[in-house]
Amino acid sequence: GENVEQHPSTLSVQEGDSAVIKCTYSDSASNYFPWYKQELGKRPQLIIDIRSNVGEKKDQRIAVTLNKTAKHFSLHITETQPEDSAVYFCAASIQSGGGADGLTFGKGTHLIIQP
Amino acid sequence: GAVVSQHPSWVICKSGTSVKIECRSLDFQATTMFWYRQFPKQSLMLMATSNEGSKATYEQGVEKDKFLINHASLTLSTLTVTSAHPEDSSFYICSATGGHPKQYFGPGTRLTVT
Repeated sequence: GENVEQHPSTLSVQEGDSAVIKCTYSDSASNYFPWYKQELGKRPQLIIDIRSNVGEKKDQRIAVTLNKTAKHFSLHITETQPEDSAVYFCAASIQSGGGADGLTFGKGTHLIIQP
Repeated sequence: GAVVSQHPSWVICKSGTSVKIECRSLDFQATTMFWYRQFPKQSLMLMATSNEGSKATYEQGVEKDKFLINHASLTLSTLTVTSAHPEDSSFYICSATGGHPKQYFGPGTRLTVT
């Protein structure tokens, strides 16, 4: 089955600086890679996702890059703000025309924005 | 759009009893719903995949007789934890998708078994 590794487990950055979280996956058949933000005791919220036919996607301060050859994808947050503090999870799955597969999550990164 | 609700938000039950958790998609038809479990300060682990009108598919190591899943309509899936034990205490979260890859999560149900 799929295995997703995520680093670092904790990331502390100064407000206004950029944050980068990296993930690798093992199953070359995986073709959908979402990122979720989870605040303590709350539901994971989808912040950005990318499919394997795209190398990069950006949404305001958030961007995701994907390297299929290396089986590696990263989340980039620029101009970090205190409200960005949360746990971020990367995930991978195989999406086909016949339906959706469940997500395999990384272990999470606790992002701390220092004021 | 894409709102998923869960009920109850928390429940405490005694060891040996059963607990039912409901997951509803409020503004879309969910062709597939998923159930995940999350232990404190850990990641989400997929338990099972549920398609409307068919039997759920369970992940390896998840006991299908213990975690009963029913997906009777396009907006409702239920998870019943049977004969609950303290080790079943966890945060159970459902997600739903309407035929595209994006999964939208419910708020979760915190189960405590005493």
